[in-house]
Order: sequence, then structure tokens, then C-alpha cells
Amino acid sequence: NAGVTQTPKFQVLKTGQSMTLQCAQDMNHNSMYWYRQDPGMGLRLIYYSASEGTTDKGEVPNGYNVSRLNKREFSLRLESAAPSQTSVYFCASSEQYSNQPQHFGDGTRLSIL
Amino acid sequence: GNSVTQMEGPVTLSEEAFLTINCTYTATGYPSLFWYVQYPGEGLQLLLKATKADDKGSNKGFEATYRKETTSFHLEKGSVQVSDSAVYFCALSDGDFGNEKLTFGTGTRLTIIP
Repeated sequence: NAGVTQTPKFQVLKTGQSMTLQCAQDMNHNSMYWYRQDPGMGLRLIYYSASEGTTDKGEVPNGYNVSRLNKREFSLRLESAAPSQTSVYFCASSEQYSNQPQHFGDGTRLSIL
Repeated sequence: GNSVTQMEGPVTLSEEAFLTINCTYTATGYPSLFWYVQYPGEGLQLLLKATKADDKGSNKGFEATYRKETTSFHLEKGSVQVSDSAVYFCALSDGDFGNEKLTFGTGTRLTIIP
């Protein structure tokens, strides 16, 4: 039961470097999401994709880009990393109804020096 | 816009104590309500949900009732165990089809002492 798989689990970057966080789900879900989790702030939505080929901004999209590569995969890219982007990043997926729960990966712990 | 307000933590209880974590919400429509749990080093897992007023969600001894009149969804458990130590998030989803975004509370860290 893989569910939602995120890679890498940990990453340390220097300011200005770029990287892509990968996410894949095997539940045939249409909707996928990227969140960041910071102490005392809960989870905040960065971007989401309601279906293959569509993406929309969430609450905190600045400094990030996303790609919905196919139905399974949804990647998050930091073009020029900044210390303020140090966080834990979670990918999630769900069926396309608001009464259905989201399924989360185990997260990527990202530190920007 | 939508918002979720959770009881601030951290909360520390002794094993077998009664637990309540308060959650209230503001939403423009008719949201679905969720409690998620996050164990150390892991992602969030759905604990329970309720999709309409007066529904009661339950799982693993936890319960929460959707109260539209008080816009609340408080989490309760009659007798907590050490294994319940985790961070608990209240959330709502109030989207149209294709817009099922979750709004989260800030989370409540629960520690159970043997």
C-alpha cells in the first residue's frame, strides 16, 4: 500500500540553489496538493491540481512552481531557494469531492542555508 | 474566507484521562469537517470526518460531532493512551467540485504521560 510517495525525505540546500520535490500517488486520484508545514502555523496550501493538466495557486505560492506531469505525479520546484523556504513539505491527493479526505505523504524536510 | 480555530497546546494528560480538543470554524458554505493526526516523523492521517450537521465521526475511540449551531467540531476521547501522543489538526473542506481545498487549524500537540 504505497499511497502517496514523496522524494527526497531530507534535503539541505544553499541559498540560490534550485531543486524539485517529487510526489506520486497510486490511488487514481484526480486532485493533488502541495503544502508546507511551519511551527505554529499548521499546513498552508502552496499549489493544487484539480485534474491532470490543471494547476492553481494556493495560499503561499510565491517562490514555487509546480508541474502535473500526469495523473500520478505532481512536482514542486524551488527555482532559487531562500532561507524562508526552510520547512516540511507535504504532498497529498484526494478524490474530486470536498467530502473526501486527503491522503498525505510522509513529507520532505528541507533546510535552506 | 474560511478559517479554523483550534485549542492551543501543548496539552499534557495522564494515561486514562478524558480528552477534549476544541475546534471552531468559519465557512461560507456547508463544509465537511475532518480531524487529522500526525505522529512524529510522519505525514497526516485522517482520524475521522463528518460531512453534514449533527453527524458524528468516530475512530479508534475518538469522536467528534458536527455542530452547525455553534460552528464547532470538538474532538473527544474517554480514556487516552500513551500511543495517542501526536499532533491533532482540525480541518474543513468547503469547495465546489474540483476545488476541494482544505483549511487547517494550527494543530494541537498532545502528550500522554504513563
